[in-house]
Parts: sequence; C-alpha cells; structure tokens
Amino acid sequence: DTGVSQDPRHKITKRGQNVTFRCDPISEHNRLYWYRQTLGQGPEFLTYFQNEAQLEKSRLLSDRFSAERPKGSFSTLEIQRTEQGDSAMYLCASNPEGPEAFFGQGTRLTVV
Amino acid sequence: QKEVEQNSGPLSVPEGAIASLNCTYSDRGSQSFFWYRQYSGKSPELIMSIYSNGDKEDGRFTAQLNKASQYVSLLIRDSQPSDSATYLCAPNYGQNFVFGPGTRLSVLP
Repeated sequence: DTGVSQDPRHKITKRGQNVTFRCDPISEHNRLYWYRQTLGQGPEFLTYFQNEAQLEKSRLLSDRFSAERPKGSFSTLEIQRTEQGDSAMYLCASNPEGPEAFFGQGTRLTVV
Repeated sequence: QKEVEQNSGPLSVPEGAIASLNCTYSDRGSQSFFWYRQYSGKSPELIMSIYSNGDKEDGRFTAQLNKASQYVSLLIRDSQPSDSATYLCAPNYGQNFVFGPGTRLSVLP
C-alpha cells in the first residue's frame, strides 16, 4: 500500500452515463497525476496537478473528461456521457517535489 | 512525439537465471528513469530509479543507463516465480512521465 487511495475500485456504468472517480494522494505530496491504462498497454498520461493548479492536459483528455483538485488535496476525475472506449483502468499517482511517483490501486471502469 | 519502446514479451526465464529487460526512449531531455513492476490486475509499483549513466544496484535488481544511446535496462538476478509480472519503463519529461508498453516476464519454476 503506497498511501494513495482511489475510490471506487470498480465501476460498471451504462453508456451515456456520467461517472466520477476520487483520488486521495499522500498528504505531503504536491503533485498528482491521472493516467489511463488499457489491457496490454502502459499507462497513458491524462492530466497533472501541482497543488490545486492543473498544469498539463493530454490530447487524450477530450471535452467529456474533466479533473479537479480543490484546495490541493484530493482530486476527482469526471467522465461525461461515457462511451465503451472509456473502459479502462484509471490510475492516480502522486509525488512530492522529487520525481518518483507512487500509484494508487486504480479504478477499473467498465462501460456496458 | 515522446516514445518509449520495450519488447512486449513474454520473456521466459528459468528460476534462478538472470532476466534482462530493455528500454529505449526518444526524448534526449529525459533525466530521470524509472522501472515499475505491475502484477496482473494491480497498479504499477516503483522498484528502481536511476538518474546517472552507469549501473545502480538494489538487492537483486540492477538498473543500467546510457543516455548517449538513449537506453535503459533492468537486470533481475536469481529470478523467482514471484518476479513474474509486467515491467514498465518510464523516463521523465519535465514533471511528467511517459510509460513504455511494458515487457511481460515469466519466471518458470
């Protein structure tokens, strides 16, 4: 257990519904990342926060995706109007000022 | 386009052998390099980091870095069945990371 907590661990939703995931990083970690991973692939970067500021967003993050990190603590990732192609493991990672990142257990999303 | 390449495997080695995992990267600006281990259905776990050219050893693991060749490798000595997992190479760029597709390692008893 790295100390990075994600909720829920599993989510099954119908196509077209909205879903929201939560990540609680290690408390002293300033940086927080969201990644998406599909079967047989490495994690793909989605977005990155330094405290409460969203500093970088991937082109993968379409208008249906939004992420927030109010007060620089926990973060949420929302997917609106889910599509079957959104089915994946959504991973959160955090790190302090140094470069080493620690991952949470992930949220597995299945869109049916 | 920042790319990281790894052989997808599976790489099969007998128990007790040395497993050698390789990674090449395209961004010459990368300064930090990480190896993550990922068991099936689990999230990646950081096992090694290396920042300077040469070798870095930690227990049964040795990371090797050659920035001129844009090449980083991971050696696992005395491989155990519990080492069977996917190994992800992740160079940094800026404050972010780019992951390779991973190499699946299978250690046969």
